[in-house]
Amino acid sequence: SQQGEEDPQALSIQEGENATMNCSYKTSINNLQWYRQNSGRGLVHLILIRSNEREKHSGRLRVTLDTSKKSSSLLITASRAADTASYFCATDASHSGAGSYQLTFGKGTKLSVIP
Amino acid sequence: DVKVTQSSRYLVKRTGEKVFLECVQDMDHENMFWYRQDPGLGLRLIYFSYDVKMKEKGDIPEGYSVSREKKERFSLILESASTNQTSMYLCASSHRTGNYNEQFFGPGTRLTVL
Repeated sequence: SQQGEEDPQALSIQEGENATMNCSYKTSINNLQWYRQNSGRGLVHLILIRSNEREKHSGRLRVTLDTSKKSSSLLITASRAADTASYFCATDASHSGAGSYQLTFGKGTKLSVIP
Repeated sequence: DVKVTQSSRYLVKRTGEKVFLECVQDMDHENMFWYRQDPGLGLRLIYFSYDVKMKEKGDIPEGYSVSREKKERFSLILESASTNQTSMYLCASSHRTGNYNEQFFGPGTRLTVL
């Protein structure tokens, strides 16, 4: 079942600009994660934000989480051509005590950064 | 450096063949997952395993089976490959932790069934 849905589906920006991607989900979550996928490769974990956190930073990445709106955003500042990739949000909706095994991934945002 | 490896990057098989996709992780992770990724559909979970010899169906298990005889190895089996199983297959693993279930992915196997 699809939990996270990213918006927009595709985004094209100039190098140096900021890129913002959004993710909406439907049920309560333990945490939300963002992953990156270069073309034809596996996914790489970028950042995790827990349900009791509102904002988190990692280098040029900034993630926000609004549990009341069931939404998250990923901001990449000062984008580079090397940031060109697909970005996925993934939600962990498992209940406490049941173990955190599964993530549910959205369909992704394809980001193109033009040099 | 943590690593998840998959047996093949590209694979071409014929309809009706039995296909084995192998995944190995060196991080002593309890959980392992198989996804397929198709354009416009994102990642869909086929099967996962949270321990040796344990398996759970994901969202799209039909036409697939899995095997986990050792902790580090998780195999996906297509009993009789069909053209609609042409896809990118991704394996992942994670620790069984309370709230930090980051998944580590292999490079993927692009399977074409003719």
